[in-house]
Amino acid sequence: NAGVTQTPKFQVLKTGQSMTLQCAQDMNHEYMSWYRQDPGMGLRLIHYSVGAGITDQGEVPNGYNVSRSTTEDFPLRLLSAAPSQTSVYFCASRQGLRGYTFGSGTRLTVV
Amino acid sequence: DAKTTQPPSMDCAEGRAANLPCNHSTISGNEYVYWYRQIHSQGPQYIIHGLKNNETNEMASLIITEDRKSSTLILPHATLRDTAVYYCIVRVEGATNKLIFGTGTLLAVQP
Repeated sequence: NAGVTQTPKFQVLKTGQSMTLQCAQDMNHEYMSWYRQDPGMGLRLIHYSVGAGITDQGEVPNGYNVSRSTTEDFPLRLLSAAPSQTSVYFCASRQGLRGYTFGSGTRLTVV
Repeated sequence: DAKTTQPPSMDCAEGRAANLPCNHSTISGNEYVYWYRQIHSQGPQYIIHGLKNNETNEMASLIITEDRKSSTLILPHATLRDTAVYYCIVRVEGATNKLIFGTGTLLAVQP
């Protein structure tokens, strides 16, 4: 039982490049979400999904796309990276009233 | 979801109890109180949650006042590894399952 796995752990992008941050969970959780955390700040919700085929926007969705084709995977896509997207990205999942399980994060730098 | 207020920072001596307060004066009857913590550079970790009654698990105790307008997270015997940012979150359990983080309390456990 690996929990929530995020890849890659570190990434450097040039402005305008695209990439996908991967998130996978093996706990059969229905709910998954993506957060970003900027230095000295709390986490902000980007997108979330309450089940396969269903996604919705969080607080800061602009510049990001998501899809949920399976229960296990919830990738986050940056279509055209900008320096403002330099951040640490966390994926999380949960089931029912239990607490969220977070991944270890992806540290993204856009230059 | 109701807004929460936490002190920005607190100190605690190693081996002593750490009592972290949270005010949530606008909490609704169906909103739960959740506590998470984030150790430096790691993903947040679920600690405990409750609705009305006090709760205890292997990590901590949660004391909720009778009027539910405030709560206290208690770490009974703080260790250096408990140094982290602690987040108090109140939320309704619903279809969206969104989790909104504030800025939390930085707990520094001193040797």
